[in-house]
Amino acid sequence: ETGVTQSPTHLIKTRGQQVTLRCSSQSGHNTVSWYQQALGQGPQFIFQYYREEENGRGNFPPRFSGLQFPNYSSELNVNALELDDSALYLCASSWGLDTQYFGPGTRLTVL
Amino acid sequence: AQTVTQSQPEMSVQEAETVTLSCTYDTSESDYYLFWYKQPPSRQMILVIRQEAYKQQNATENRFSVNFQKAAKSFSLKISDSQLGDAAMYFCAYRRMNRDDKIIFGKGTRLHILP
Repeated sequence: ETGVTQSPTHLIKTRGQQVTLRCSSQSGHNTVSWYQQALGQGPQFIFQYYREEENGRGNFPPRFSGLQFPNYSSELNVNALELDDSALYLCASSWGLDTQYFGPGTRLTVL
Repeated sequence: AQTVTQSQPEMSVQEAETVTLSCTYDTSESDYYLFWYKQPPSRQMILVIRQEAYKQQNATENRFSVNFQKAAKSFSLKISDSQLGDAAMYFCAYRRMNRDDKIIFGKGTRLHILP
């Protein structure tokens, strides 16, 4: 167990809807990174938040957005859901640029 | 752009035997980290081992060790005395040092342990 938690565990949405995923970072960590893992693939970096500011972004459209709160927990929001957004969403927390520790993920299914 | 390649989609090993998972990567950076992560069916991505590129000595964690060949850009994972609990997807991963940065993952190798 890493101390990183994510909610919900599973989620089913329909195309065009919006979704919010949540991540609580490990105690003492100030950086949260989000990844999308499609079935049978390695995780792909979405973005990273450091001290409440976006600190790097992967090749994802603007409908993927996020927030980091003063307690360093984070949200990932996805608007206008598409079928291809179905994936496991992982968050990872770290102290700055140190090793990232992953949560158990949220499985999103878009119908 | 940095890339990570795992050429073995699946591997099997007999319990108590040794297995080596292969990984190659491409980068023009000189300072970086390499990782092996394990993802069991529970989906939790677990850090197995980490190697700093500036260190010549290969990292070791109990039954897990790496063979890091910087010039060849090769980073293999050796699992000794394989156990049933080692069955999982194994991802090789890369991250630049001292940058904002994202981890770049390979596509993974599924490891089966045969009793």
